[in-house]
Amino acid sequence: GAGVSQSPSNKVTEKGKDVELRCDPISGHTALYWYRQSLGQGLEFLIYFQGNSAPDKSGLPSDRFSAERTGGSVSTLTIQRTQQEDSAVYLCASSSTGIEQYFGPGTRLTVT
Amino acid sequence: SQQGEEDPQALSIQEGENATMNCSYKTSINNLQWYRQNSGRGLVHLILIRSNEREKHSGRLRVTLDTSKKSSSLLITASRAADTASYFCATAFLYNTDKLIFGTGTRLQVFP
Repeated sequence: GAGVSQSPSNKVTEKGKDVELRCDPISGHTALYWYRQSLGQGLEFLIYFQGNSAPDKSGLPSDRFSAERTGGSVSTLTIQRTQQEDSAVYLCASSSTGIEQYFGPGTRLTVT
Repeated sequence: SQQGEEDPQALSIQEGENATMNCSYKTSINNLQWYRQNSGRGLVHLILIRSNEREKHSGRLRVTLDTSKKSSSLLITASRAADTASYFCATAFLYNTDKLIFGTGTRLQVFP
């Protein structure tokens, strides 16, 4: 079956613009995660959705970052007024068990 | 903040040699997982070890866990050039197993 998909694969934007990154999890997976990975670094947890529960937003670095998950499926990560330090690969993962996570290919965001 | 730190940060070996990577973490865990990442994109789950287990095998992978030292190791035996990747440990907290905290990663280079 299809894995986790993310779009776009690459995004170049100017400083100050807003961007939306999309994640389509594996069908039936109730948990969805967003991570950020700066060049050569580990994964930084951003936000986590589990079913209908309130999302865990504890990893969002500032109020410019927000995420939604509609209908328990597709998720959108929005970054407002992008800054150069927002440049990174944004990874989405989903899980059915809350244990093993299945990752998408990521969106590489470059803020110029 | 990241829970795990990995050692070494980078490792270069010849094909056929064994590769050992270590991970240390800070708090009590439910389980520890190892993931592999090629070319800075999506991660792939390799193996999971629970806090009541000390050793686990999967093919050429051997994982150990020492909860008294809060550390784990990943051994890849008879390495191949295709094993070249970054390897990350990820820990699930004792009372919140849905959320993983990733380590800083080890970059493994296997030369043919």
